[in-house]
Amino acid sequence: GAVVSQHPSWVICKSGTSVKIECRSLDFQATTMFWYRQFPKQSLMLMATSNEGSKATYEQGVEKDKFLINHASLTLSTLTVTSAHPEDSSFYICSARDLLAGVNSGELFFGEGSRLTVL
Amino acid sequence: DAKTTQPTSMDCAEGRAANLPCNHSTISGNEYVYWYRQIHSQGPQYIIHGLKNNETNEMASLIITEDRKSSTLILPHATLRDTAVYYCIVRPSNTGNQFYFGTGTSLTVIP
Repeated sequence: GAVVSQHPSWVICKSGTSVKIECRSLDFQATTMFWYRQFPKQSLMLMATSNEGSKATYEQGVEKDKFLINHASLTLSTLTVTSAHPEDSSFYICSARDLLAGVNSGELFFGEGSRLTVL
Repeated sequence: DAKTTQPTSMDCAEGRAANLPCNHSTISGNEYVYWYRQIHSQGPQYIIHGLKNNETNEMASLIITEDRKSSTLILPHATLRDTAVYYCIVRPSNTGNQFYFGTGTSLTVIP
């Protein structure tokens, strides 16, 4: 199946700093990518939909100024957690659909996840 | 918001079939049912999806009831590596893209 790669796989940062997480589709193009957050023993929560060449669409309750999303190309989306605090510590996962897949046939391909720990 | 209900946890003996139920009583006519699983600390993995007909692939079978209000994922011969959280997702057709995860079923395969 198609491969989605995230980097870094884990990161530790100090409170108040910003952290950037990259999400790449390695063997397909994606006009849309999705960012999820997962706290321990909880399910994945959709944060935002990243659209290539346009602004991201954020889910209710997600601060767009805190979680900056950039989707500059068909294979790369980035999530920047600005002024990170300990409560932002979580497992961040991106996903993407193949641009060429039909609307009803395409599954989402998920990255391996990036674990953020804010001290 | 998730539109599915799944049991919180299940056990299955190794080598036996694992049958994971999912209730999606409010599913709309053109919404698909997707199944993903997540092994600890990894990204979710696609298993199978379907609309009306039963589906089978190399990983599993998906049985959808005639009224489409529920479905069952079947792992025919469960192995220890199948221990994971299994998510049943109904994909909203109006957006065409977003997947909203429910709480899933934590399946433990017992030796």
